[in-house]
Amino acid sequence: AQRVTQPEKLLSVFKGAPVELKCNYSYSGSPELFWYVQYSRQRLQLLLRHISRESIKGFTADLNKGETSFHLKKPFAQEEDSAMYYCALHSGSARQLTFGSGTQLTVLP
Amino acid sequence: GAGVSQSPSNKVTEKGKDVELRCDPISGHTALYWYRQSLGQGLEFLIYFQGNSAPDKSGLPSDRFSAERTGGSVSTLTIQRTQQEDSAVYLCASSFRTGADTQYFGPGTRLTVL
Repeated sequence: AQRVTQPEKLLSVFKGAPVELKCNYSYSGSPELFWYVQYSRQRLQLLLRHISRESIKGFTADLNKGETSFHLKKPFAQEEDSAMYYCALHSGSARQLTFGSGTQLTVLP
Repeated sequence: GAGVSQSPSNKVTEKGKDVELRCDPISGHTALYWYRQSLGQGLEFLIYFQGNSAPDKSGLPSDRFSAERTGGSVSTLTIQRTQQEDSAVYLCASSFRTGADTQYFGPGTRLTVL
């Protein structure tokens, strides 16, 4: 069965510092990976997906199949990046997404 | 157009009572999902509907939980004989077709069982 692990429940960085939110997955096939974000008092929404290979709000994530990781990175964190971030996996055999437990990011002024 | 809507936004009930939570997906989306969001537990998958296929109920935590989707649109999640551990935010999401498509989430229903 597939599984997504986000080892950090809480992460704090200062404004302007680099930030990396870790995500590891277990799945033997070729997964599709996503990052979803929930800002305070807003709905959970898609941030980015690995197949798009795009940068959204300065965030990027690279799928590393060798390390089974999909870490989310941003070189210079902003206060408005403070939110709950969820990593999610979709595999060909499943019909729904498997979410990690989430990382609450706080960017300090 | 309108996004996913859920009602009620808040529900307080007494232990042992039944509750019904409603979800209106985005028009044209054939896939509908229910999740439970608990503090410290992340996002827990409950059930998935896709078109006319049999729903994937593999995430329902007990037989007190059930869900239906009428006419391929509105869905109702029912929790019978509620327990305090059922207290959580229940999220509904819809997507165009499958789990790989972008899921659009509703605002959630916060359930508190006293």
